Amino acid sequence: EPEVTQTPSHQVTQMGQEVILRCVPISNHLYFYWYRQILGQKVEFLVSFYNNEISEKSEIFDDQFSVERPDGSNFTLKIRSTKLEDSAMYFCASSAGTSYEQYFGPGTRLTVT
Amino acid sequence: QQQVKQSPQSLIVQKGGISIINCAYENTAFDYFPWYQQFPGKGPALLIAIRPDVSEKKEGRFTISFNKSAKQFSLHIMDSQPGDSATYFCAASFHSKLTFGTGTRLQVTL
Repeated sequence: EPEVTQTPSHQVTQMGQEVILRCVPISNHLYFYWYRQILGQKVEFLVSFYNNEISEKSEIFDDQFSVERPDGSNFTLKIRSTKLEDSAMYFCASSAGTSYEQYFGPGTRLTVT
Repeated sequence: QQQVKQSPQSLIVQKGGISIINCAYENTAFDYFPWYQQFPGKGPALLIAIRPDVSEKKEGRFTISFNKSAKQFSLHIMDSQPGDSATYFCAASFHSKLTFGTGTRLQVTL
């Protein structure tokens, strides 16, 4: 069964450093998303992406964040200058359409020290 | 209002019992209501979903009941098993943006 994959599974970085989280969505899906989950809290929407541009973003997704689909398979989330409060699990998801189910990857645990 | 309120925060059910988790929303523009199951250290896994034109959907032991006028929906897990022990999140979607509830930690005891 096709699945969303994410790398790395765990990333440790120092405050102020740039990180790139990578995702490979399900191959025939057209819509891509990033969510985050601070430990013990609910999952929060960050951004949705379709046709090589951002469809919608939350107030969390400020100028420090960017997304990109650099090739036909990868979807990346970049945090330019990490803060302590960026420590969280970051989940990538994909769907076939806007009214279709979203499937989540296993997540990347980001630890900012 | 984009919030989705979920209760209870935690739930302990005996094996074979029925687990019931409730959610409520305010935004009538939400058009899709999925439930996700999450095990520790894993991503949310889609369990079952419903659209607002349907009042109930059943898949195996899992049933969603949807009350559009009350803006409430619930997940029922019949014949709960220890393997169902996980955190369950309800969510609501508008323009493909999922708004999640705060989660319910379910423990099924022997």
